[in-house]
Amino acid sequence: AQRVTQPEKLLSVFKGAPVELKCNYSYSGSPELFWYVQYSRQRLQLLLRHISRESIKGFTADLNKGETSFHLKKPFAQEEDSAMYYCALGDSNYQLIWGAGTKLIIKP
Amino acid sequence: NAGVTQTPKFQVLKTGQSMTLQCAQDMNHNSMYWYRQDPGMGLRLIYYSASEGTTDKGEVPNGYNVSRLNKREFSLRLESAAPSQTSVYFCASRRQASGAWVDEQFFGPGTRLTVL
Repeated sequence: AQRVTQPEKLLSVFKGAPVELKCNYSYSGSPELFWYVQYSRQRLQLLLRHISRESIKGFTADLNKGETSFHLKKPFAQEEDSAMYYCALGDSNYQLIWGAGTKLIIKP
Repeated sequence: NAGVTQTPKFQVLKTGQSMTLQCAQDMNHNSMYWYRQDPGMGLRLIYYSASEGTTDKGEVPNGYNVSRLNKREFSLRLESAAPSQTSVYFCASRRQASGAWVDEQFFGPGTRLTVL
């Protein structure tokens, strides 16, 4: 079955500390993975996708097919990173399968 | 460009009442989606329209109907609202109808619906 798991509902770290938001997936084909972010009072928006292999706002994510993971990382958290983060998997019908989301709180 | 717009932003209904949520996009996108967002459950797809003139059920279609009025507009109707439909509803669109990869979805601001 196709599934995206974000094991942490809430992650709280201090400003300047490293951040890692976990995402694991289950998919039989070649996965296309995304991280979307929803800042307070803003729309859900794309943060990054694995095929782009880019760093956005200091965040990176590497697809690990062996561990079926796509964890989001940032070496030094900033207060403006506080938001809700969703991992999503693109399926063969071009739909997105979403994880339950992780609320990231950056403490000053 | 306004992107994806949704109306209304908030709505309170009584059980059994009906209503239509409106969504429009001005990006000339082919595909449009309706999701519901519930705490601890992420986004769940209700219905989608891969292209103008087509609609398909998603993960949780029961109790809802949709209309792809034209390329810009995709409405979601609750015929007889139930408390279980209390949620935040998001409309989204993406440019491609199909293709070699899954492209970005653009989201509306959401509609917060409460059914009493």
